[in-house]
Formats: sequence, C-alpha cells, structure tokens
Amino acid sequence: EPEVTQTPSHQVTQMGQEVILRCVPISNHLYFYWYRQILGQKVEFLVSFYNNEISEKSEIFDDQFSVERPDGSNFTLKIRSTKLEDSAMYFCASSETSRPAASYEQYFGPGTRLTVT
Amino acid sequence: RKEVEQDPGPFNVPEGATVAFNCTYSNSASQSFFWYRQDCRKEPKLLMSVYSSGNEDGRFTAQLNRASQYISLLIRDSKLSDSATYLCVVNEGFQKLVFGTGTRLLVSP
Repeated sequence: EPEVTQTPSHQVTQMGQEVILRCVPISNHLYFYWYRQILGQKVEFLVSFYNNEISEKSEIFDDQFSVERPDGSNFTLKIRSTKLEDSAMYFCASSETSRPAASYEQYFGPGTRLTVT
Repeated sequence: RKEVEQDPGPFNVPEGATVAFNCTYSNSASQSFFWYRQDCRKEPKLLMSVYSSGNEDGRFTAQLNRASQYISLLIRDSKLSDSATYLCVVNEGFQKLVFGTGTRLLVSP
C-alpha cells in the first residue's frame, strides 16, 4: 500500500539554526500538507500546497517557514531560524484531489520529531 | 468555543465491550468529517470518513448529525488493539483539517 514517507525521523538543532524537513507524498497525490503536533497537544494545520504554490496557510506559518517541491517527488518544509517553541512533531500529509468529498482524505507520514535546544 | 470538541477520556473498557465517542464541531460550513486513530507518538491514521447517511466499516460505525453539528463513533466488540486515541477531524474550506484533542481508549483483557 502506498504511503507517505518522511526524513529524518528525529532532528535535533540549536536555536537559531535552519532545518529542512523532507517528505515524499503518495505518488499520484496532488495536494500536500504540513501539520505539527506539540507534545500533549492537538494536531495543527500549517500549510497546504498545490500546483507548486501555497493554497492555504495558518497563522503559525509565518515568515520563518517556507515550503517547496524541489523535484517531482519531494516536498520540504524549511524553518529558517528555529525557536524553542518550534519543538514538535511535524507531519506531512497528502491527498489525491480536493474534490469530490472522498478525496479530501489526507494520509499522513510517520512524522519528524524536531527538538530545538 | 473550541472548533472541534471531544471528551479526552480515558475510556476504560473490557475486551468485547461496545464503546461510543462523541464530538461536536463549531463551523456549520464544514463539509467533510473523519475519524482518525493515533497511537502514542505516531501519525494520525485515517479510520473512516463520516458521511451524512452514516457509515459502517466492520466493527466501526460513524454517524453525522449536521443539524446538531455532532459526530459519533461506535466501536463494537472492542479488541486490545483498539487501544489508542481517536481523533475527530473536520475539514474547513477545501483542504485544512481541524483536529479535536482526541479521546483516549484503553481496552483491557
């Protein structure tokens, strides 16, 4: 069964450093997403991406964050200057299309645990 | 008011029991509804989409009441492997998923 993959599984970085989290969405999917989950809290939407551009982003997704699809398979999330509060699990997800309703189903990767020290 | 509200639990049930979870959502314009399952420190896994007519998948039954903005999940004949956190999820707009905080289920022998 096709699945979303993410690397690395765990990233430790110092405050102020840049990190890039990588994802390979399911191959026939067209919509890509990033979510994060701070330990003990709910999963929160960060950004959605379609046709090589951001289609929606949350308030969390400020100028420190960027996303890119550098080639036909990878989807990346960059945090330019990490803060302690960026420590969280970051999940990538993908969906086939945004319509019809069944295709709203989003499938999540295993996540990257980011620890900022 | 929270966007998606769930009882955090935990719900402690014996194997074989039937257990029901409920969820309410605040955005009346929401069009798509889901139940995800999340094991400790793992990714959310789609359990089932929830349709207006209600739907069933094996031991799992989901219901949607749009008038009351209420979603439910029923698990029959609970197994030990059903122990997890069950996330009520609502789609806002076309793409953004809004998650509840989850309801923890513990199934004991």
